[in-house]
Amino acid sequence: DAKTTQPNSMESNEEEPVHLPCNHSTISGTDYIHWYRQLPSQGPEYVIHGLTSNVNNRMASLAIAEDRKSSTLILHRATLRDAAVYYCILRDGRGAQKLVFGQGTRLTINP
Amino acid sequence: DAGVIQSPRHEVTEMGQEVTLRCKPISGHNSLFWYRQTMMRGLELLIYFNNNVPIDDSGMPEDRFSAKMPNASFSTLKIQPSEPRDSAVYFCASSLWVTSNQPQHFGDGTRLSIL
Repeated sequence: DAKTTQPNSMESNEEEPVHLPCNHSTISGTDYIHWYRQLPSQGPEYVIHGLTSNVNNRMASLAIAEDRKSSTLILHRATLRDAAVYYCILRDGRGAQKLVFGQGTRLTINP
Repeated sequence: DAGVIQSPRHEVTEMGQEVTLRCKPISGHNSLFWYRQTMMRGLELLIYFNNNVPIDDSGMPEDRFSAKMPNASFSTLKIQPSEPRDSAVYFCASSLWVTSNQPQHFGDGTRLSIL
C-alpha cells in the first residue's frame, strides 16, 4: 500500500479555516485519496475522497496537487466539533476495499 | 437511519475467558469489516466479508480469533481464550460493494479489557 505522511498534530481556532496537509509521493495512477476522521470515543467517519480534481461536499473540501503527490483537506469554518484525528488514506480504485490507517493528524480547535 | 450497531459497548473479563463481539451492519450493505485499535498499533483491519463470505483474514492475529457472518445482518468476532494483550477497541464497519471507493461506515466500537 502506498504510504501517506501527515503532521502528528495541528491546532486552529474556532470559526477559522483549517488546512490539513497530506503527502503521498508514491501514489499510483489508480489510487484514490480518502479522508476519514475519528472523534473522541467514536468510530472513524468518512469525510471525502477524490482522484485528480478538487472535491467539495457538505463537510469539507479536498484540494489535490496537480502532480497528485500531495493533497489538503480544508475545513472552511472549524467548530469545536471538528476536533478529531484526521486520516489521509490511499485506496486503489481497481477494487481495493481495505482501508489502511496511518497515525493521522490530531486536530485541536481552540474556542 | 440506523448505523452500524455493535454490542456490547464495553466488556471486561478475565484472561482465559471466551469473548464474543457482535455487529449488525447497515441494512443493504454487503461488505463487513472488523478493525482493532490500540495505542501501539493504531487502527488495523482484522478481516472482511463480501456477501457473508470471508475475503481477507490476513489481519487476524492468531487462531484464538475467529469471525463469522451467518447472514447479511449479523457478524461475530470471537476470542477464545482471551489474553490481556487482546485489550483494545474493536470496530465493525460496513459498506456497499458495488464499485470501488464506497465509504465505510463504522460503529462506535466495543472497548474490551482483559484482566
